Amino acid sequence: QSILTQPPSVSGAPGQRVTISCTGSSSNIGADFDVQWYQQLPGAAPRLLIYGNTNRPSGVPDRFSGSKSDTSASLAITGLQAEDEADYYCQSYDHSLSGHVVFGGGTKLTVL
Amino acid sequence: QVQLQESGPGLVKPSETLSLTCTVSGGSMRNSFWSWIRQPPGKGLEWIGYIHDSGTTKNNPSLSSRVTISVDTSRNQVSLRLTSVTAADTALYYCARHACRGVTCSLYLFDSWGQGTLVTVSS
Repeated sequence: QSILTQPPSVSGAPGQRVTISCTGSSSNIGADFDVQWYQQLPGAAPRLLIYGNTNRPSGVPDRFSGSKSDTSASLAITGLQAEDEADYYCQSYDHSLSGHVVFGGGTKLTVL
Repeated sequence: QVQLQESGPGLVKPSETLSLTCTVSGGSMRNSFWSWIRQPPGKGLEWIGYIHDSGTTKNNPSLSSRVTISVDTSRNQVSLRLTSVTAADTALYYCARHACRGVTCSLYLFDSWGQGTLVTVSS
């Protein structure tokens, strides 16, 4: 069971907006550690999508945005496109057990 | 642009030791952190541990007693050893570079990933 909790799946029609939640606790997201989001297309390695809660690396469309509040974070995707169909993972740091990197369980996005 | 390439045996017997290498090209390993991350078939990502080129390491508490990560900057390589493997260790193993801004590197932000190498544990 992952320390960061994500819904197993979300779906949306082309052009719609979807959000993916990432719920943590006071020892990770709530302890002011940043949240990252990674996109993993089928058969590919993960790709950094959002870093530092809200920042997009160069080349990531502005349809992708991140937010963070208290012990949770969210990834929003607007103007959904077929190419967005992928697995999405949130990731942060947990200061328990002398500190370690933690991932969410992943969310499968299906574009209907 | 930095590239990471994982390599190693694709099949390991139960109770034996898994050994993988990540070769870094197109960039320096100096003053950087490097992580190993794995993904069992059809499942999510699990961080294994990281190493700094100075030799400082930190491992996932759930794997710590079985994991050794080392670095050879002269060969631009990071290595992973995982002892006493079982079928639960079957996974796609990735190496990843931690993002750095100037001389400051993040302990938990990965900006480059290898393509991964599949390791199956089976007799």
